[in-house]
Amino acid sequence: QKEVEQDPGPLSVPEGAIVSLNCTYSNSAFQYFMWYRQYSRKGPELLMYTYSSGNKEDGRFTAQVDKSSKYISLFIRDSQPSDSATYLCAMSEEASGTYKYIFGTGTRLKVLA
Amino acid sequence: DTGVSQDPRHKITKRGQNVTFRCDPISEHNRLYWYRQTLGQGPEFLTYFQNEAQLEKSRLLSDRFSAERPKGSFSTLEIQRTEQGDSAMYLCASSFQPGQGPLVYGYTFGSGTRLTVV
Repeated sequence: QKEVEQDPGPLSVPEGAIVSLNCTYSNSAFQYFMWYRQYSRKGPELLMYTYSSGNKEDGRFTAQVDKSSKYISLFIRDSQPSDSATYLCAMSEEASGTYKYIFGTGTRLKVLA
Repeated sequence: DTGVSQDPRHKITKRGQNVTFRCDPISEHNRLYWYRQTLGQGPEFLTYFQNEAQLEKSRLLSDRFSAERPKGSFSTLEIQRTEQGDSAMYLCASSFQPGQGPLVYGYTFGSGTRLTVV
């Protein structure tokens, strides 16, 4: 079992829809959670960062962390064709000498005009 | 500042050859990371520098791989005796972290170097 599981998609939605992207994880030591967007042949771009549990909102994006269920989500409101990309979740442990992030495989999103 | 720069963008090499990639991080960032990403997968951690010190290396980083960050500025990743399994996107990322402790901010990634071993 991978430490971080993410449905690869593709997920196709019409323009204007609310998109829900999710990751589950097995390591209860994860405390830092990130969402990245990656366009084809580009490096990942940081969208959202969350520490521990709770929600965080930034414009059309909302990140949620449920540590009791080991489940994180990214919601995109009023989705646009320009949101079509691969979305990667990433997680890191609390201070243990580990400084790396563990990434999911990414979910490919297509927003249809 | 134009972000994290990686060079070259693409590299095609024959099996058995050595290759070297360069990464120029954001100038004020003290942490630099190398990741590898294969098609359909998320990035996988390879190694990490704080200033010029290489503090952690993944098991993925065999003895054919070596990374340096002289003077805590740019970094190079060298792969010796390349194999077809080395074909991947090699991503560099940097971050600023004041003092010690875990990484609490996200990385800024470069656009990567795509390596193809034929």
